[in-house]
Amino acid sequence: EVQLVETGGGLVQPGRSLKLSCVASGFTFSSYWMYWIRQAPGKGLEWVSSINTDGGSTYYPDSVKGRFTISRDNAENTVYLQMNSLRSEDTATYYCAKDRYYDGTYYPFDYWGQGVMVTVSS
Amino acid sequence: IQLTQSPSLLSASVGDRVTLSCKGSQNINNYLAWYQQKLGEAPKLLIYKTNSLQTGIPSRFSGSGSGTDYTLTISSLHSEDLATYYCYQYNNGLTFGSGTKLEIK
Repeated sequence: EVQLVETGGGLVQPGRSLKLSCVASGFTFSSYWMYWIRQAPGKGLEWVSSINTDGGSTYYPDSVKGRFTISRDNAENTVYLQMNSLRSEDTATYYCAKDRYYDGTYYPFDYWGQGVMVTVSS
Repeated sequence: IQLTQSPSLLSASVGDRVTLSCKGSQNINNYLAWYQQKLGEAPKLLIYKTNSLQTGIPSRFSGSGSGTDYTLTISSLHSEDLATYYCYQYNNGLTFGSGTKLEIK
């Protein structure tokens, strides 16, 4: 059974840093791209970052580029999100997710974690 | 690519046929998925590549569309379909629509 479990959320002051972790199980972690997606309270979904299988390529939207860093440890089946210079607008539930490419078919975000809440406030 | 979902709120009765719309600012080339998010839960993949039903999803859900215009249809609404539905395009960048909240009358 695929499981994605996020940890590391909490209350942090504006301008400070926080690092999220997502531990994966039930699939060959090193074979999959991984993603972080966030959802501000009462709002919609926003893609935050992507990382390829070996961690050599990472992608971000302009809203977090230069402040957030995604990384992974394939030996530990874990993907991370380092969040620096946090702002109030970063307050959200952060989900990690995986996709799947099988037999010529791509399945976007087929599994999600339960999410972890990050609150940026003084 | 920006995605516009309509309506933002839809109220329907059990048994109704329900249609949700998603319109892209550019051609999406059918790289369009739909997610269902129930209150307090993570989103769940329903439909990928416009009209392919994810494993385990009831057949009352279907997707259609092309170009910039896409639709999610629930053929006969069940009470457990109460949720917010998001479209998502992965043709050019990665973007979600703003969601349609589906209420049961």
